[in-house]
This record gives sequence, C-alpha cells and structure tokens, in this order.
Amino acid sequence: GQNIDQPTEMTATEGAIVQINCTYQTSGFNGLFWYQQHAGEAPTFLSYNVLDGLEEKGRFSSFLSRSKGYSYLLLKELQMKDSASYLCAAMDSNYQLIWGAGTKLIIKP
Amino acid sequence: GAVVSQHPSWVICKSGTSVKIECRSLDFQATTMFWYRQFPKQSLMLMATSNEGSKATYEQGVEKDKFLINHASLTLSTLTVTSAHPEDSSFYICSATYTGLAGGPTDTQYFGPGTRLTVL
Repeated sequence: GQNIDQPTEMTATEGAIVQINCTYQTSGFNGLFWYQQHAGEAPTFLSYNVLDGLEEKGRFSSFLSRSKGYSYLLLKELQMKDSASYLCAAMDSNYQLIWGAGTKLIIKP
Repeated sequence: GAVVSQHPSWVICKSGTSVKIECRSLDFQATTMFWYRQFPKQSLMLMATSNEGSKATYEQGVEKDKFLINHASLTLSTLTVTSAHPEDSSFYICSATYTGLAGGPTDTQYFGPGTRLTVL
C-alpha cells in the first residue's frame, strides 16, 4: 500500500534549527511536496523535490533521497510565526498526491 | 501568481439544506481541481478530482449524489453539499493545478483559503 510517515508533533526554540522527517512508500514516484498549514487555514506550498539532493529556499530547505524513500524539511532561524503543521505529500505514478498526517511544530520563546 | 479563491469563507446552515461552495483560480487556468475535507486535528482527505468539462472522480467512500461537483470552466469548480447534516460539518478546501507555468513545478497544488461549514 501507499503510506507517508512523519512525526505527529515537534517542539523547537525560537532562533534554532529544526528538521522534520518524512518517509514514503508509493506506487511510482513523481515528486515530494512540503506544505505549511497554520491552524484554521488552508495549506500553502513550500517546496517540491523530484531529484535527489537539497533544495534551499531562504530559511527553508528540503532534501530528498529517492533510494531511501526519505525527505526532510529543514527550518532555520525559527520564528514564532513558523508554528504550524507541516504536511509531507508524495506524488505517485498516477500523479495523485498521497498525504501525510502532518507534523505540528510548536515554537517556544 | 497561482491564486485560488473560495466562496464563502464560512457558512452556517440548517440540517437538510444544500450548500454550494465555489472555487476559482484567479490568475491561471486550472487543468485540474481537487476538493478536500479536513476535520479538526486531522490531515487532508481528498474527496474528488475534477477536470474541466468532464465528470469528477470521487474517492472511495465519498457519496457522489451527496457531494455534487461541477467543473464548468478552467477557472471555476463548485461543490454542492446536498441535504447537509451535522456530520458534514467540516473545513472544505479546494486546490488547483496547472501545467507549463514558468517558475513553478507542474502539478503543484495551490490551495484556496477553505470554507468552514457548520450544519446545525
């Protein structure tokens, strides 16, 4: 079956760095997406990886290893506004997104 | 770019009534639109996928006759919750994808702001 695993909740300190891991199992693979979702709001697109390696975009970076079925989202210089849920989603061979349950990130001062 | 709007933002209705939710892509033509439902503290649940001019593809367990989807144009899709009941109360979110737009990966889903439905 198809499956996405990511931690349910993580806590980090303002100004620090946090890494949110995601492992996936899909029928075929057409890329890995990360979305941010603040409470009561819709998700917003953060990143897309389809090739192995690290993609950096400001304070956020996303890494992919296709052979390991693994990705992580790295958030640097954490700010209070980064408190949100982070959703990992893998696209299968039919271009369907398989969603993880999300990781709730709590930032403490 | 890639802005998706939804209307209404929130709606309260009586049990047994029908509610229509609109999803519009404002600055691009959406090849595909998706409808999701999200209950509190749970992940997104895909309800259906629709392409302009064709019937929507519903996920297993989603009642086609209860959740009517119309995708009349490349910029508009509607979801109608018919004969709504309290258990249909949820956060309904649409998303849209496009292909070939410079600056973004294809098949990225861009989400509308969501519609919070409360059925009394």
